[in-house]
Amino acid sequence: GAVVSQHPSRVICKSGTSVKIECRSLDFQATTMFWYRQFPKQSLMLMATSNEGSKATYEQGVEKDKFLINHASLTLSTLTVTSAHPEDSSFYICSARNRGRTEAFFGQGTRLTVV
Amino acid sequence: QQQVKQSPQSLIVQKGGISIINCAYENTAFDYFPWYQQFPGKGPALLIAIRPDVSEKKEGRFTISFNKSAKQFSLHIMDSQPGDSATYFCAASIEYSGGYNKLIFGAGTRLAVHP
Repeated sequence: GAVVSQHPSRVICKSGTSVKIECRSLDFQATTMFWYRQFPKQSLMLMATSNEGSKATYEQGVEKDKFLINHASLTLSTLTVTSAHPEDSSFYICSARNRGRTEAFFGQGTRLTVV
Repeated sequence: QQQVKQSPQSLIVQKGGISIINCAYENTAFDYFPWYQQFPGKGPALLIAIRPDVSEKKEGRFTISFNKSAKQFSLHIMDSQPGDSATYFCAASIEYSGGYNKLIFGAGTRLAVHP
């Protein structure tokens, strides 16, 4: 299967700072990337969808100014959590899909802890 | 209508037994139904997927059964092994205008295979 690399796998930051998470497709062109948030023992909640070169489409209830998504190239998307607060602590997961293909492949996830 | 209902929430199976997880949906616009396997602290991994024009798909020990008229699909894990212990998510894909699609996830099933 296709490989999606997410970095970092774990990050701890202080409240009020910003954190950037990278998502890379290693062996295919990711025309669409998705960002999810997952709370312990719960399902994946879609935060936003981004198409390469376009602004991200955010799901209802997700603050676009707080969760900045950039998808500037066909292999890289970034999620920046701005002015992080303890309630932003969660497991963030990206997935990527190539145009014309239905399969979506997931990164390893990033455990964010805001202290 | 956008929901995918998954059951059971948790499942305990003896080694060598058959694990069965069920999902149901309402929206007939869903056109792709993948199953993902997730280990703790990791991103979901695509296990097997099916389209609604097929009633069954088998890959190794994993089989999807699809009932279009009942709007239900299930995952069967034959000869379950302790290494299969993980959380399993069913999902359904829907395409929106503009050519992009997104996955709607079930709530997940935590499978424990006892030796």
